[in-house]
Amino acid sequence: EPEVTQTPSHQVTQMGQEVILRCVPISNHLYFYWYRQILGQKVEFLVSFYNNEISEKSEIFDDQFSVERPDGSNFTLKIRSTKLEDSAMYFCASSKGLAGPYEQYFGPGTRLTVT
Amino acid sequence: KQEVTQIPAALSVPEGENLVLNCSFTDSAIYNLQWFRQDPGKGLTSLLLIQSSQREQTSGRLNASLDKSSGRSTLYIAASQPGDSATYLCVSTGGGADGLTFGKGTHLIIQP
Repeated sequence: EPEVTQTPSHQVTQMGQEVILRCVPISNHLYFYWYRQILGQKVEFLVSFYNNEISEKSEIFDDQFSVERPDGSNFTLKIRSTKLEDSAMYFCASSKGLAGPYEQYFGPGTRLTVT
Repeated sequence: KQEVTQIPAALSVPEGENLVLNCSFTDSAIYNLQWFRQDPGKGLTSLLLIQSSQREQTSGRLNASLDKSSGRSTLYIAASQPGDSATYLCVSTGGGADGLTFGKGTHLIIQP
């Protein structure tokens, strides 16, 4: 069964460094999403992406974040200058269409630790 | 802005019991309601998805109900097993490109 994959599973970085989290969505899906979950807190929506542009973003998704689909398979989240509070689990998801009948499928997550 | 609340925050029951997890949401204009399972340090596993036009969905020992008018959903787990121990997340979906809105979850422990 097709699944969303994410790499790396765990990333440790120093404050101020740039990180890129990678996701490979399910191949025939058109909508891509990033979520984050700070330890002990809710999963929070960051951004949705369709047709090579951002569809929606939350207030969390500020100028230090960016997303890209550099080729036909990868979907990336870049954090330009990491802060301690960026430490969280980051989940990628994809769906065939907009929310509604089109279920979002989640990857296993990347645990980001900023020291 | 949609808010999803789950009660209780934590629940511990002996193996074999039937149990109900509760979820409420503030905006009834949802497109669907979904229940996920999350194991410690792991990803999200979708359990059941209820379309807004539906009242319930069943999968094995799990049954989820949806009452849009009252802004409530329940997840019923029959004959609980230790392997059911996990955090259960209630998630609502709007109709646009917005992401999902997650509840904080119910941390369930099934005692052998």
